[in-house]
Amino acid sequence: AQSVSQHNHHVILSEAASLELGCNYSYGGTVNLFWYVQYPGQHLQLLLKYFSGDPLVKGIKGFEAEFIKSKFSFNLRKPSVQWSDTAEYFCAVIMNRDDKIIFGKGTRLHILP
Amino acid sequence: GAVVSQHPSWVICKSGTSVKIECRSLDFQATTMFWYRQFPKQSLMLMATSNEGSKATYEQGVEKDKFLINHASLTLSTLTVTSAHPEDSSFYICSARESGYQETQYFGPGTRLLVL
Repeated sequence: AQSVSQHNHHVILSEAASLELGCNYSYGGTVNLFWYVQYPGQHLQLLLKYFSGDPLVKGIKGFEAEFIKSKFSFNLRKPSVQWSDTAEYFCAVIMNRDDKIIFGKGTRLHILP
Repeated sequence: GAVVSQHPSWVICKSGTSVKIECRSLDFQATTMFWYRQFPKQSLMLMATSNEGSKATYEQGVEKDKFLINHASLTLSTLTVTSAHPEDSSFYICSARESGYQETQYFGPGTRLLVL
């Protein structure tokens, strides 16, 4: 079955540390890829998306993600995190055009000041 | 980015009553809207896909007679929880897919429903 896996359920980092959150999906065809963030008490916001072209995607707030087709991965990265990055991060994938979006279970990120 | 609103943001009702939740795309047209439930500390669970002018498509295990969805215009979809019970208490989130190039889903702020 088509699925999206986020390996880290809970990540704790200190400020200025580098971040990488893993995301893998199970589908061999064309995909559209997303990372959403949910700050405490707020709704889901789009961080970045990949549809085609350069597999290294730049998003808001200094985040980027790299699509590696051979690894079925779309990992999220940030070189230096801030306390305000504390939130829950969801990887999401559309595995057929016009099909529904499938979410990973989320990664809760805590940044220690 | 595109903005999606939901109304109400929270609602408390008695068991057996019906509750209507509205989802609006404020600055774009959305031929497709989605309804999700989010349980505490869990991911979003897709309930149904709502297409403007046609019947909604429900996910397996979601009762279509209990969760009525209407998508009457390109900017409005409604979810009605009929004869609500305490187990329907949850956080309901809608999203709207922007039509056209690189279609992206934008999410509403959610509606917290508590059924007493």
